Amino acid sequence: EAAVTQSPRNKVAVTGGKVTLSCNQTNNHNNMYWYRQDTGHGLRLIHYSYGAGSTEKGDIPDGYKASRPSQENFSLILELATPSQTSVYFCASGDVWGSYEQYFGPGTRLTVL
Amino acid sequence: QQQVRQSPQSLTVWEGETAILNCSYENSAFDYFPWYQQFPGEGPALLISILSVSNKKEDGRFTIFFNKREKKLSLHIADSQPGDSATYFCAASKNNAGAKLTFGGGTRLTVRP
Repeated sequence: EAAVTQSPRNKVAVTGGKVTLSCNQTNNHNNMYWYRQDTGHGLRLIHYSYGAGSTEKGDIPDGYKASRPSQENFSLILELATPSQTSVYFCASGDVWGSYEQYFGPGTRLTVL
Repeated sequence: QQQVRQSPQSLTVWEGETAILNCSYENSAFDYFPWYQQFPGEGPALLISILSVSNKKEDGRFTIFFNKREKKLSLHIADSQPGDSATYFCAASKNNAGAKLTFGGGTRLTVRP
């Protein structure tokens, strides 16, 4: 069965610190996505990737970087974390054929103090 | 500017009633509209989707009604069950490979027994 996993599931960071959120998918999907979820805003796209070595800016990329070293792994990097980046972050993978369904991971709750 | 809007933000219905969740969008180029269901502590999962060439899509108790002229759609959940209590997200994208999803803010549905 298709699976997207995220680590860590919970993270507390300090302002100005570096945070790396990791995502792994076993779906063999080309596309991967990072979203943040905040009450009232739904899910907003931060970065996405079409395959290993590629990263693209989403709708709210400021303050975030992304890395796609392989088909399976996609990381979100906060070089200088700020309290405004406190949120729940979701990774997803998706195919480029058929239904275009996106498969989401369980999320990472990040608190920046 | 929020391109996909949902209403109401929260909805409570009794078991057995039909819940109606509304969605509207701005971008005329959108032609793929999925609805995602999210339970607390989990990532969203695709529930049902529709393409703009159709005005209705049914899947069991779940039905999407789509009005392209008015840029509106709605999700009807017939015979609502307590297990349907979740947050529902309407999303939209162009129907092509690699297209990004734009999500609405979500509707939190509570079904009371």
